[in-house]
Amino acid sequence: DVKVTQSSRYLVKRTGEKVFLECVQDMDHENMFWYRQDPGLGLRLIYFSYDVKMKEKGDIPEGYSVSREKKERFSLILESASTNQTSMYLCASSFGTAYEAFFGQGTRLTVV
Amino acid sequence: TQLLEQSPQFLSIQEGENLTVYCNSSSVFSSLQWYRQEPGEGPVLLVTVVTGGEVKKLKRLTFQFGDARKDSSLHITAAQPGDTGLYLCAGGDYKLSFGAGTTVTVRA
Repeated sequence: DVKVTQSSRYLVKRTGEKVFLECVQDMDHENMFWYRQDPGLGLRLIYFSYDVKMKEKGDIPEGYSVSREKKERFSLILESASTNQTSMYLCASSFGTAYEAFFGQGTRLTVV
Repeated sequence: TQLLEQSPQFLSIQEGENLTVYCNSSSVFSSLQWYRQEPGEGPVLLVTVVTGGEVKKLKRLTFQFGDARKDSSLHITAAQPGDTGLYLCAGGDYKLSFGAGTTVTVRA
């Protein structure tokens, strides 16, 4: 059974903290994505990666960075968490853009 | 950025009724995907449409890709409460972008 696993379902962090969200896929996919989902706004792409150590900015990269040191793992980093980064974060992977994207269950992050 | 606009934002219908959800863009897409998301879960792929004018059926769900490959629709026949969820269209040649989604509620 294919799987995308996000390290936490729920996370509460303080303003100014450095936050790491981890995502692991077991399908040997080239592409990995990080989205945030907010009511009425759908899924907005933060960053994506099409190969190890390669990354591209999505539509809303400000305040975030990413790391892909191994093919199966894609990390999202909030350098200094702010309350407007409170959101649901979804990780996904796929063989390619036109192929099915498989999603993790999401991490609901609250920044207080 | 290739933008995808979905309408309506919300749809509430009685069991047994039909519904249509739309996904529109000013950009041409090589393919479009439809996903369904249930509360507390990540989106799950329903279908990918690739050819302009293509129609795909998945039981009571019918998906259509516009001739110009700029728009798509999802039609559900005789909706059931199990069809309740957030329906999302997605596409992109380079990066996978999503529409804002349509929240569908089917009342028993």
